[in-house]
Amino acid sequence: SQQGEEDPQALSIQEGENATMNCSYKTSINNLQWYRQNSGRGLVHLILIRSNEREKHSGRLRVTLDTSKKSSSLLITASRAADTASYFCATDQGYGQNFVFGPGTRLSVLP
Amino acid sequence: SQTIHQWPATLVQPVGSPLSLECTVEGTSNPNLYWYRQAAGRGLQLLFYSVGIGQISSEVPQNLSASRPQDRQFILSSKKLLLSDSGFYLCALTGQGYSPLHFGNGTRLTVT
Repeated sequence: SQQGEEDPQALSIQEGENATMNCSYKTSINNLQWYRQNSGRGLVHLILIRSNEREKHSGRLRVTLDTSKKSSSLLITASRAADTASYFCATDQGYGQNFVFGPGTRLSVLP
Repeated sequence: SQTIHQWPATLVQPVGSPLSLECTVEGTSNPNLYWYRQAAGRGLQLLFYSVGIGQISSEVPQNLSASRPQDRQFILSSKKLLLSDSGFYLCALTGQGYSPLHFGNGTRLTVT
């Protein structure tokens, strides 16, 4: 069954605004990861947050994890047109071999 | 640094034809290797993963198969393609431990 589910499915914002994407999952995890995919390309790893962490930052990215609610959020601050892409969360249940991806959020940042 | 080579980038094949997609990696030894498929506008579905030469685990029953003849080579094959095999195929690797996935640029397969 689908483990990660991103919300919203699509998001359109103006350049300079913040973008927030959410991810929910169903079972316990070892870590949760966020990836970015430009159209027609492979996915690029953005950030990994472990189950014992609550918040993590990387540049303009901020990720939170609430294991009690089985949810995570990705915040992109001061968005740029170049941030336009699809964003996926993936959960690792600890086996290190089966990362389960959600359907993704398509972000459009308008100049 | 780790590099994944996938080819071809695009492929159009008729129904019933065979398939062979190759993935080779550089910059790492003994990686875990993965084949994912992505339908248009959807998430990724894990097809196969391999923890070593000749070791293949299948996640989804289908008419596809995978092989790992060398440490840094992962091949996805089919004897007879179906229309439903169309999609974007991505090869990925992880190192040892709980490292994130590193992806190739994918092959877009259209079965006609």
